[in-house]
Amino acid sequence: DTEVTQTPKHLVMGMTNKKSLKCEQHMGHRAMYWYKQKAKKPPELMFVYSYEKLSINESVPSRFSPECPNSSLLNLHLHALQPEDSALYLCASSQDSRIGTEAFFGQGTRLTVV
Amino acid sequence: SQQGEEDPQALSIQEGENATMNCSYKTSINNLQWYRQNSGRGLVHLILIRSNEREKHSGRLRVTLDTSKKSSSLLITASRAADTASYFCATDGRAAGNKLTFGGGTRVLVKP
Repeated sequence: DTEVTQTPKHLVMGMTNKKSLKCEQHMGHRAMYWYKQKAKKPPELMFVYSYEKLSINESVPSRFSPECPNSSLLNLHLHALQPEDSALYLCASSQDSRIGTEAFFGQGTRLTVV
Repeated sequence: SQQGEEDPQALSIQEGENATMNCSYKTSINNLQWYRQNSGRGLVHLILIRSNEREKHSGRLRVTLDTSKKSSSLLITASRAADTASYFCATDGRAAGNKLTFGGGTRVLVKP
């Protein structure tokens, strides 16, 4: 199984809502990532988890809250988002967080904040 | 922050032609990877080239790396309509905090 599964595929939420994005992998990877991608732009790193611990937070606003319940799961909790947060949110995993390892990406969650 | 810049931003070719795109980066790297992204979907890893390598092949893909010029190129030979996608280079290295940083991407359209 070389898949990273993200749910939901699409999400529309209001600015006062609380929602969560989910990501799952069963490749035994010990590093997991959240990226944000705006239209026609490259993915931008948000968070890195290494061995279930948050190792990198790219100065992401606190309305985005990551969680890694176990080595296979990664969540992104969303609260009080703004319309400019609308984007494709991509989860990825790699064997570990050392440089030079291939990242496997999920299909993304297309988020629209209204 | 964006490490790599890709050129061209968009490329339109006929099926069967070769497609070449370039990636330039600013700081020293350990590795450079190329990824493909079909419209609005996840990224798929294509190839990784290490800083001590100059050229690598994988099927119809050929990647070169020139660390003296801080640039890389991706060549897709005998293109197919299914190659229509955005292609991103991604670099990692100490200067970027050992994080994978993506370039701006090249949107490739292969016309049947």
